[in-house]
Amino acid sequence: QVQLQESGPGLVKPSQTLSLTCTVSGGSITSGGYYWTWIRQHPGKGLEWIGYIHYSGSAYYSSSLKSRVAMSVDTSENQFSLKLESVTAADTAVYYCARDYYDSSGYYRIDNWGQGTLVTVSS
Amino acid sequence: DIQLTQSPSSLSASVGDTVTITCRASRTISDYLNWYQHTPGKAPKLLIYAASNLQRGVPSRFSGSRSGTDFTLTISTLQPEDFATYYCQQSYSSPRTFGQGIMVQI
Repeated sequence: QVQLQESGPGLVKPSQTLSLTCTVSGGSITSGGYYWTWIRQHPGKGLEWIGYIHYSGSAYYSSSLKSRVAMSVDTSENQFSLKLESVTAADTAVYYCARDYYDSSGYYRIDNWGQGTLVTVSS
Repeated sequence: DIQLTQSPSSLSASVGDTVTITCRASRTISDYLNWYQHTPGKAPKLLIYAASNLQRGVPSRFSGSRSGTDFTLTISTLQPEDFATYYCQQSYSSPRTFGQGIMVQI
């Protein structure tokens, strides 16, 4: 059973960089058929897709965040990471890492999620 | 980016009811539409993928359908554990997008 677990600071100062890591256990991050994804939920709001990365390193980011976002993969540690630069209070949210699975028919779905981690941006 | 608009804006129901939530895409996405259930404090859960395919382990009272760019999630015989927020998400193109979510309340 593959499990995902987010880790990182729960408090980040404005203008600094938010850094989170997702550790994948019970399976390899290099297994085919997956894009490793970050999603967030602002307090009291809906889900917002941030982006995804393939173990090969190819990534795609949200239109609204792409100027501040970078994702990476560490295959040796079976982890993938999120960096969000120049954060403001508007970046306060629960951040989820997740697995976007694509099957042989070409259909994608997010079938596995971490529990989420609250990141607060405040001085 | 593809926009997804869910309706109704709010939904109150009782145990045993059948509820229907709609998701409309801003342009054609074929059947690349997924549905998720989110309960506070928990990770979101995949219910339906590719518009009408039930994810393994999800009760059969959940079903999905498509008509053009309109998608429907139906929950038959609502159970107490079904009171949650439901999101649609398109996987037709990147960036992926979610609908705004619909809370099913008692």
